[in-house]
Amino acid sequence: NAGVTQTPKFQVLKTGQSMTLQCAQDMNHEYMSWYRQDPGMGLRLIHYSVGAGITDQGEVPNGYNVSRSTTEDFPLRLLSAAPSQTSVYFCASSRFGGYETQYFGPGTRLLVL
Amino acid sequence: EDKVVQSPLSLVVHEGDTVTLNCSYEVTNFRSLLWYKQEKKAPTFLFMLTSSGIEKKSGRLSSILDKKELFSILNITATQTGDSAVYLCAVEFDYGGSQGNLIFGKGTKLSVKP
Repeated sequence: NAGVTQTPKFQVLKTGQSMTLQCAQDMNHEYMSWYRQDPGMGLRLIHYSVGAGITDQGEVPNGYNVSRSTTEDFPLRLLSAAPSQTSVYFCASSRFGGYETQYFGPGTRLLVL
Repeated sequence: EDKVVQSPLSLVVHEGDTVTLNCSYEVTNFRSLLWYKQEKKAPTFLFMLTSSGIEKKSGRLSSILDKKELFSILNITATQTGDSAVYLCAVEFDYGGSQGNLIFGKGTKLSVKP
């Protein structure tokens, strides 16, 4: 049982490049979400999903796309990276209706030059 | 605008001290309040509070919620160096779905000196 895994751990991009941050969970959780954490800003919700085929926007969705083709995977795509997207990205999953079961992945540190 | 405010933003204490961390909130359609501990990497869950006045405890940590005054406190007694971390408060609010979304505070950075 690996919990929530994220790849890569660290990535450097040039402005305008695109990339996909991977997230997978093996707990059969319905709810998955992506957050970004900036210094002094706490965590902010980017996108979330309540199940395969269902996604919705969070607080800061601009510049990001998501899809949920399976229960296990929830990739986050940066369409055209900007320096403002330099951040640490956390993926999380939980059982439906229960944040007390929420687990976070180890995070991906992204630097956009 | 929905918001969660934590205070203090940082705190330095010595081992054995007792600390109180504060979290106040203004959200519509409140569902629950959660506390997390974040060391070097991912946040880990501490408590989930939904009812006023009912203290939740786990070892030296305890927390309580006041839904009338819209705040929560996290107490840590007999602090140890291993308690050094950022403590995050998050509020779950109902946006119309089956599970609410979370708004996080900026966190309180606790440093415990030996």
